[in-house]
Amino acid sequence: RKEVEQDPGPFNVPEGATVAFNCTYSNSASQSFFWYRQDCRKEPKLLMSVYSSGNEDGRFTAQLNRASQYISLLIRDSKLSDSATYLCVGGSSASKIIFGSGTRLSIRP
Amino acid sequence: DAMVIQNPRYQVTQFGKPVTLSCSQTLNHNVMYWYQQKSSQAPKLLFHYYDKDFNNEADTPDNFQSRRPNTSFCFLDIRSPGLGDAAMYLCATSRVGAGGPYEQYFGPGTRLTVT
Repeated sequence: RKEVEQDPGPFNVPEGATVAFNCTYSNSASQSFFWYRQDCRKEPKLLMSVYSSGNEDGRFTAQLNRASQYISLLIRDSKLSDSATYLCVGGSSASKIIFGSGTRLSIRP
Repeated sequence: DAMVIQNPRYQVTQFGKPVTLSCSQTLNHNVMYWYQQKSSQAPKLLFHYYDKDFNNEADTPDNFQSRRPNTSFCFLDIRSPGLGDAAMYLCATSRVGAGGPYEQYFGPGTRLTVT
C-alpha cells in the first residue's frame, strides 16, 4: 500500500461545477499536509497547507480527518484555469515528505 | 522575485557524459531537496540536505551525487547519465521546525535530455 494514495482521475467536469478529491495516508505520524497544483511541464506550486482540521481559501477548502487518515480538497465554482494535476503531500519530518501520485483535473467549458 | 532558481532550465547531455545541475535559494531555508520527475509520475525524492547533513534515499542510484557548499546553493551531479535519467529535476526548499515540516517551495526545474 502506498503511503499517500490519490485517485489518479482524470476528473472531467464542466465549468462552474464543484469537485472534490480525497487522499489517504498510512503513516499516522504524519503531521503536515499540503495540496499542490502542477501544470503540465511546470513545477508544483503550493495550493494549501493543512495543519489542523481544515483550511479555506476562496473557492478552495481542504479538510483533514486524522481519525480516518484522509485529506480532502474541495473546489467550488471551478474555472477553466483550475485544470491541472493536484498533488497531495503528507510529511512527518524533513526526511519524510511523501507525495501522492496526483489527481488530474480537466475543466471543460 | 524568484525564490528558488534552477540552472539551466534545459540541459542536453550525451550518454555517459557527466552533468551538473544547480539550484539556489533566497529564502534562507535550512532544507534543500532534489526530486526527479518523469512524465505523469509524482516527484521522486533523490536526497535532501538538512543544513549540512546529507540524507540519501535508499533507492537513489550511486550515479547521483549532491553538494551543498553553503546555505544558498545546492548541486546535483549525475556522473554517467543514462537514457533512463532523462527527466525533470526539481529543487525544493523548506524550513523545518517543531510540529513537522513546512511547505516546500519548488524551483522551475531543469529538463534533462540524454542523447
